[in-house]
Amino acid sequence: SQQGEEDPQALSIQEGENATMNCSYKTSINNLQWYRQNSGRGLVHLILIRSNEREKHSGRLRVTLDTSKKSSSLLITASRAADTASYFCATDAGYSTLTFGKGTMLLVSP
Amino acid sequence: DVKVTQSSRYLVKRTGEKVFLECVQDMDHENMFWYRQDPGLGLRLIYFSYDVKMKEKGDIPEGYSVSREKKERFSLILESASTNQTSMYLCASSTGFISYNEQFFGPGTRLTVL
Repeated sequence: SQQGEEDPQALSIQEGENATMNCSYKTSINNLQWYRQNSGRGLVHLILIRSNEREKHSGRLRVTLDTSKKSSSLLITASRAADTASYFCATDAGYSTLTFGKGTMLLVSP
Repeated sequence: DVKVTQSSRYLVKRTGEKVFLECVQDMDHENMFWYRQDPGLGLRLIYFSYDVKMKEKGDIPEGYSVSREKKERFSLILESASTNQTSMYLCASSTGFISYNEQFFGPGTRLTVL
């Protein structure tokens, strides 16, 4: 099954800065989702972007999707210490299950 | 709010034991999933179910079985636990077409097999 790959593997920034993480995938998709996982907990859904959408916003989150490059980016603006977590992209290919990447670990220091 | 609960947060078992991990969701979701999460490997799908008594293998079903007798409950069974099954196990649920909708996750069960 195809898999999204996040980049970078780890990211360390200061509070107030923006955080950008990327996801690349291999084959065509119907949609792409981003999830957050706080240390040792379950995943929480952040945003879903469909293949016919190019950009989507939710609060301080902005997701872009470039299907020609098979990539997506997640931007968190004005980061807070509470944003410290791992972020995963998940992709699909039709009426199939989601495949999760290995995640980007984000550390936001006060 | 959707709530997905898992029977234990932490579990320690011995090699060869039969282990049951229980997951319950309260939003009448058709789809339920079991993943395991390991450092460097991300989340990998073990089994999923799209209806009561229905089950489908995921990417890594070997050594596991599942049971879905009621819509709200999805159980993961390790018939004979082995040390390589030490991992974080995550249950999730969703509604509608599996790939079109978000999944709601439980808090996870960290299983250690000695």
